[in-house]
Amino acid sequence: SYELAQPPSVSVSPGQTARITCSGDALPKKYAYWYQQKSGQAPVLVIYEDSKRPSGIPETFSGSSSGTMATLTISGAQVEDEADYYCYSTDSSGNLWVFGGGTKLTVL
Amino acid sequence: EVQLVESGGGLVQPGGSLRLSCAASGFTFSSYAMNWVRQAPGKGLEWVSGIGAGGGSTYYADSVKGRFTISRDNSKNTLYLQMNSLRAEDTAVYYCAKVDAAFGLDPWGQGTLVAVSS
Repeated sequence: SYELAQPPSVSVSPGQTARITCSGDALPKKYAYWYQQKSGQAPVLVIYEDSKRPSGIPETFSGSSSGTMATLTISGAQVEDEADYYCYSTDSSGNLWVFGGGTKLTVL
Repeated sequence: EVQLVESGGGLVQPGGSLRLSCAASGFTFSSYAMNWVRQAPGKGLEWVSGIGAGGGSTYYADSVKGRFTISRDNSKNTLYLQMNSLRAEDTAVYYCAKVDAAFGLDPWGQGTLVAVSS
């Protein structure tokens, strides 16, 4: 099986930069995707192909990847950014897709 | 606008069966792979199954392999998940999602709740 590891929680004060990491052995060769899930809602894509931002997602969201770690960065985090964030990628075969365990972002 | 609407969830006894449906609109359904993802109460997201655009290729998580079957009817723009031998640990909200070559899973439906309990 393949696993993506995320920290269970990240906490920042309003206006600070939040960084959420995702580590996986295949990340040097496979893209990471990031989803935001607010309470009671379906997940929403915020970053695709490591660092690209879909239309409608604020510029405060950015992504990067280096070696076996992908990082989601939220610059100037606000209370409305509080959510669970999940990374998503595939193993080296490209046939097994997995989510990271999720990171709860608290902004207070 | 792309829309995905799941249905078919409900309460079922352990060992029972259920078939979920996902009605798609707003895009050429037959051109895209589709996935099912679930989320147990208070837990994270779990990829469950995927199917190619034509239906010829299917993939399953080990946790459901041999019990769940994914299929699609491109003439009806509908994705299915046949779930057999259900267990308490299959209790979750089940989401369908369109697979985009660039965007990954996007968008997602609102989900349908499956509860397995006696």
